[in-house]
Amino acid sequence: NAGVTQTPKFQVLKTGQSMTLQCAQDMNHEYMSWYRQDPGMGLRLIHYSVGAGITDQGEVPNGYNVSRSTTEDFPLRLLSAAPSQTSVYFCASSSTSGGALEYFGPGTRLTVL
Amino acid sequence: AQSVAQPEDQVNVAEGNPLTVKCTYSVSGNPYLFWYVQYPNRGLQFLLKYITGDNLVKGSYGFEAEFNKSQTSFHLKKPSALVSDSALYFCAVRDRMDSNYQLIWGAGTKLIIKP
Repeated sequence: NAGVTQTPKFQVLKTGQSMTLQCAQDMNHEYMSWYRQDPGMGLRLIHYSVGAGITDQGEVPNGYNVSRSTTEDFPLRLLSAAPSQTSVYFCASSSTSGGALEYFGPGTRLTVL
Repeated sequence: AQSVAQPEDQVNVAEGNPLTVKCTYSVSGNPYLFWYVQYPNRGLQFLLKYITGDNLVKGSYGFEAEFNKSQTSFHLKKPSALVSDSALYFCAVRDRMDSNYQLIWGAGTKLIIKP
């Protein structure tokens, strides 16, 4: 199993550019989520999905879109990048058993100039 | 509102001494409780969890945590710290009644073990 994979590992954007962060998991997990991690802020939930075709907003959804067309993939789209979106982004997945672990990808370090 | 508090931004411990990283929580129902660790420039790794049963939970790398329902706490402990334990530690809680399966995260505690 590859677990949770994320691409790219690093990205630099200019203000106003758009891009998609890719996330895939091969554990057949129903639940997938995107977090951003900023210094001193811990993890903040951006969007999540409890299954293919179902997505919902987390704590900080503005400026981001997601879709879940398959169980495996959960891309995160930045519509018009802003410097405030400079952060480290983590994708995670888990089964929908309440006690289930969240498995994390290695992260994408995004800088918006 | 549901929340998780890690009251210490940083904990400093000498190698070989016991360590404690504190976590308290507030959820409306009964919680699932988790500890994760993050090494520099890495993703988060699972350490241990409390689901049910024995309040003392043992996890990876010699860590353990005790669920205290009356104090709503889940402090992480290790009897003898290693320099390699230096990392960022996160406590997380999930409400058993939350059908959205969301984890509520603490802000993290930086653990520094000095030789």
